[in-house]
Amino acid sequence: DAKTTQPPSMDCAEGRAANLPCNHSTISGNEYVYWYRQIHSQGPQYIIHGLKNNETNEMASLIITEDRKSSTLILPHATLRDTAVYYCIVRVATQGGSEKLVFGKGTKLTVNP
Amino acid sequence: NAGVTQTPKFQVLKTGQSMTLQCAQDMNHEYMSWYRQDPGMGLRLIHYSVGAGITDQGEVPNGYNVSRSTTEDFPLRLLSAAPSQTSVYFCASSYVPRGQDTQYFGPGTRLTVL
Repeated sequence: DAKTTQPPSMDCAEGRAANLPCNHSTISGNEYVYWYRQIHSQGPQYIIHGLKNNETNEMASLIITEDRKSSTLILPHATLRDTAVYYCIVRVATQGGSEKLVFGKGTKLTVNP
Repeated sequence: NAGVTQTPKFQVLKTGQSMTLQCAQDMNHEYMSWYRQDPGMGLRLIHYSVGAGITDQGEVPNGYNVSRSTTEDFPLRLLSAAPSQTSVYFCASSYVPRGQDTQYFGPGTRLTVL
């Protein structure tokens, strides 16, 4: 019951920007959008998160549309080491009142030399 | 800090055997959780805990038990292993489950049930 939709795969040339889209049309006003990535056989790694403003850190930039129904993760200068599965996640409130991350199938990004 | 550690890294069980997957974190995080990941699928939440003495079920809890007696440790128990439990298991922790927080994942335990 992931609340996000992502393309299953994308390709990007090394050194170019990688733009990974995500749709979250049912997002609530107080729900954050999180991005994680998983490099082969490793545990997921946090990248960035945001609520409604664009965010940037040392790894990536996150662009959230004004209506918050979609977002784009930008890796400005993709390297071969950025090849991974990228997960766009919206926190889901549980019946018990806490929250959890619901991972979908993500986008498999392949950076080509 | 060692972060989130998991043991063992690999395990092979026979159907019906029991075992415990260990997870520990040294970051004083309140929130800990267990996920499983099957080929071609994303991570699915098994159980989670919002603090010592408190646990709750995730999406796929059947066949697994957890307990949280300390802040640092969150073991996952398989009482009677089944081939359907063959998977990669990840433990994660975060300071609080809400708001602007991030989860830190362990390296995973690869379990095969024959």
